[in-house]
Amino acid sequence: DAKTTQPPSMDCAEGRAANLPCNHSTISGNEYVYWYRQIHSQGPQYIIHGLKNNETNEMASLIITEDRKSSTLILPHATLRDTAVYYCIVRVVDDYKLSFGAGTTVTVRA
Amino acid sequence: DTGVSQNPRHKITKRGQNVTFRCDPISEHNRLYWYRQTLGQGPEFLTYFQNEAQLEKSRLLSDRFSAERPKGSFSTLEIQRTEQGDSAMYLCASSLGQTELYEQYFGPGTRLTVT
Repeated sequence: DAKTTQPPSMDCAEGRAANLPCNHSTISGNEYVYWYRQIHSQGPQYIIHGLKNNETNEMASLIITEDRKSSTLILPHATLRDTAVYYCIVRVVDDYKLSFGAGTTVTVRA
Repeated sequence: DTGVSQNPRHKITKRGQNVTFRCDPISEHNRLYWYRQTLGQGPEFLTYFQNEAQLEKSRLLSDRFSAERPKGSFSTLEIQRTEQGDSAMYLCASSLGQTELYEQYFGPGTRLTVT
């Protein structure tokens, strides 16, 4: 049973910010939100994770709503190399396995 | 390159044959995972090792599948009597279990085609 809901696809213009939504309305208090992405023909790549505070690293920003029922991954300046499938995953931090859904296919266009 | 390597990258086999894949994780990582990914779907968890101990197997891992991680280093995934439904990308990942992050580093995968 899917714990997250993401749009199947979205387009973004190169150089613009890409905002990827994720709904996780049944998230529990001890579950984190993780984002991974998978570029074509490669294995998934970790992007960022958070519990309730907004997080930022060199790749992206993660904005989690106050009620934690949804979040947004922000790629601040999308490039063609950001074209990939992006997966939003909720998991307890010491849960060893990742449960991937279908993700959002993001296409960055020049 | 994440530091996790998988061999071979591609394997074509005839139905009924046995195949074996190898994964070399990042050297200091004590946790190793196998996932399977079919076209258009996200990866699905198959099994997990902490050091040399196999701690969980998904119901997706039928009796034809076996995984090992001798000495807690590299791992092998063997599929016996392959079927066309086994055609998929087999992904290996590793992580350092002691950290809060539990970030998994994935290899490039082995694409299996069963004809």
